[in-house]
Amino acid sequence: NAGVMQNPRHLVRRRGQEARLRCSPMKGHSHVYWYRQLPEEGLKFMVYLQKENIIDESGMPKERFSAEFPKEGPSILRIQQVVRGDSAAYFCASSPTQGARPYGYTFGSGTRLTVV
Amino acid sequence: AQKVTQAQTEISVVEKEDVTLDCVYETRDTTYYLFWYKQPPSGELVFLIRRNSFDEQNEISGRYSWNFQKSTSSFNFTITASQVVDSAVYFCALRKGGKGNNAGNMLTFGGGTRLMVKP
Repeated sequence: NAGVMQNPRHLVRRRGQEARLRCSPMKGHSHVYWYRQLPEEGLKFMVYLQKENIIDESGMPKERFSAEFPKEGPSILRIQQVVRGDSAAYFCASSPTQGARPYGYTFGSGTRLTVV
Repeated sequence: AQKVTQAQTEISVVEKEDVTLDCVYETRDTTYYLFWYKQPPSGELVFLIRRNSFDEQNEISGRYSWNFQKSTSSFNFTITASQVVDSAVYFCALRKGGKGNNAGNMLTFGGGTRLMVKP
């Protein structure tokens, strides 16, 4: 019964490259959330998706960032033309229904993006 | 708008001391959920507790206890007889309650408190 799987765990990109972060939710979960944690800060909500739908992207930067959760396969957070300020830990969480499960969201282990 | 404040950015204690991590929140919702997460040096997020806004009963789990006071909008976390393995960053978080509102499912996190327990 695997938890939320994120890969890669660590990702290094040069400025201007694209970063793709993957998140496979727990089995049976159809809701995915992405959060960003800048160094020495708390997590900030970015986007909430259901299968093939973006429900809330109020936390996404207006440019260069996009997210999808296709019918088949993992959710992808894509950052185009990365800059040093994008260096952060990106966490994915999933839930089985609208709202929190009795024991909260299940978070993945995160992807640490470093832009050099 | 929702807001979570963890005023203590860093706390250092000696092993076996008790320590309380403060969390104060702001919300206009009458139904909401409060959470605590632990982030050890390895970086993952470990769920500790979820509390409903209509349940003000305090909870104890081993060396951990939580004091929820709606009157002061606080949800403090106490570790009794701290251990070196408790060293981590601890986050308090808030989520809007209720159903039928897709936009309310995100968690609002505090800035975290870094706890260092020295042997």
